[in-house]
Order: sequence, then structure tokens, then C-alpha cells
Amino acid sequence: EVQLVESGGGLVQPGGSLRLSCAASGFTFSNYTIHWVRQAPGKGLEYVSAISSSGDSTYYANSVKGRFTISRDNSKNTLYLQMGSLRAEDMAVYYCARAADCASISCYDLVAVGGGMDVWGQGTTVTVSS
Amino acid sequence: QSALTQPASVSGSPGQSITISCTGTSSDVGTYNLVSWYQHHPGKVPKFMIYEGSKRPSGVSNRFSGSKSGNTASLTISGLQAEDEADYYCCSYAGSSIPYVFGTGTKVTVL
Repeated sequence: EVQLVESGGGLVQPGGSLRLSCAASGFTFSNYTIHWVRQAPGKGLEYVSAISSSGDSTYYANSVKGRFTISRDNSKNTLYLQMGSLRAEDMAVYYCARAADCASISCYDLVAVGGGMDVWGQGTTVTVSS
Repeated sequence: QSALTQPASVSGSPGQSITISCTGTSSDVGTYNLVSWYQHHPGKVPKFMIYEGSKRPSGVSNRFSGSKSGNTASLTISGLQAEDEADYYCCSYAGSSIPYVFGTGTKVTVL
């Protein structure tokens, strides 16, 4: 079964740090770009970050640029999101999602070409509060 | 990049058809026919419903269809069923510098 499982969420104080993980199974992880999408309480989905299959290309939304770092370990089939200088507005459920594009094209250095996200994890909750 | 605009809510009776609009700009929806749609039951995993504007992934009911006109994409649900009650989000490719932008989300209610 194709699956993504996030972990690492929790309660953190403003200004603190947290590292999220996304473990993949059931597909060739190293062939796929992976995205991070978040949903704040009562709000809609927000595109946060992405990393190409090789790890060479990354993207960050302006809201997290300079504070978050996306990375991956293809030998462990795992994606990471290192989150720093956390703010109240970062409080959300964080989802990792697989790029649908990569089933038919090489995503070695591609963050996205518009095909959407076909497999999502169940999400991990980040709470930022003192 | 601003979020794409969707109506906050749409409702319909079982068996009816409803359409959810998703309005963007010439920088995203208007330029790229690369809109995807997601169904999200609260507390559940978002589901990939439509890609490239009108294509359905394997396993998605043909009651769901997508289209686009100008800067507005649309998702139509025909033969509305109770299980269709959920939040729906559009998402458009917006170029290599800002890969994706999501819509504001629409709550679908089956009366």
C-alpha cells in the first residue's frame, strides 16, 4: 500500500523549533518530489514547501522562508521539515503529499510541473503556545 | 500570491448537481490548465479528485468533473450523495517560482 506517515508534531513555545518527519512506503520514494501543506485551525490548505526527488531543488512559501528547512533521506525513505522561530501562525496540521507528476516524468530536480498531489499523509499537529 | 477564491459554501439535495467555482488570475488558473481538486472530510486525509483541470485519477467517481473558462476553474458534482459532504479545495500551478496556490475552500452540504 502506498503510504505517507507524518510524525514529530507537538506543543512548542513561540520561538522554538520542531522537526517533522514523513515516512514513505509502498512506492519508490527516491523518484518522487514531496510537498508539505498545512491547515491552520479553521482555515484552508496552505502550500508550504517542496523538495525534488534528488533533494537538489527546494521551494518555500514566503511565510516560512528563512525559518523552515526541507530535506530528505532517500536511503531511509523519509522527508523532513525542520521548523524554527515558530510563531502562533505556524500552528496547524502539517501534511506531506506526493507529487503526482513524478509517476510519468523525472522529478530529479523538479519541484512541480502542475500535476497535483496524489497521495497524502494523515497529518501531524503542531501547536505553538506558551 | 493570493489564494484562489472559492465560495464558502455550496449545498444541494441528494441526486442534484452542484458546481464549485475557483477564481484565480492570469498568473495561475488563466495561464495554466493545471488545476487540481481535493476532497477533505475533516479529520481525514485529503483525497485527490481531479488533475490537469478535468482528468480523474483512477478510482474517482465519474460523478466528479472539472472544467475551466478563463481565470475560473470549476468542479461539478452530479448525482449528489450524502458521502460527498466535505470540504473541497482547488489548487493551481502558478509557475516555477510559486509552484502551487490553493483555493480558500468550499464546504459542500447535502441537504
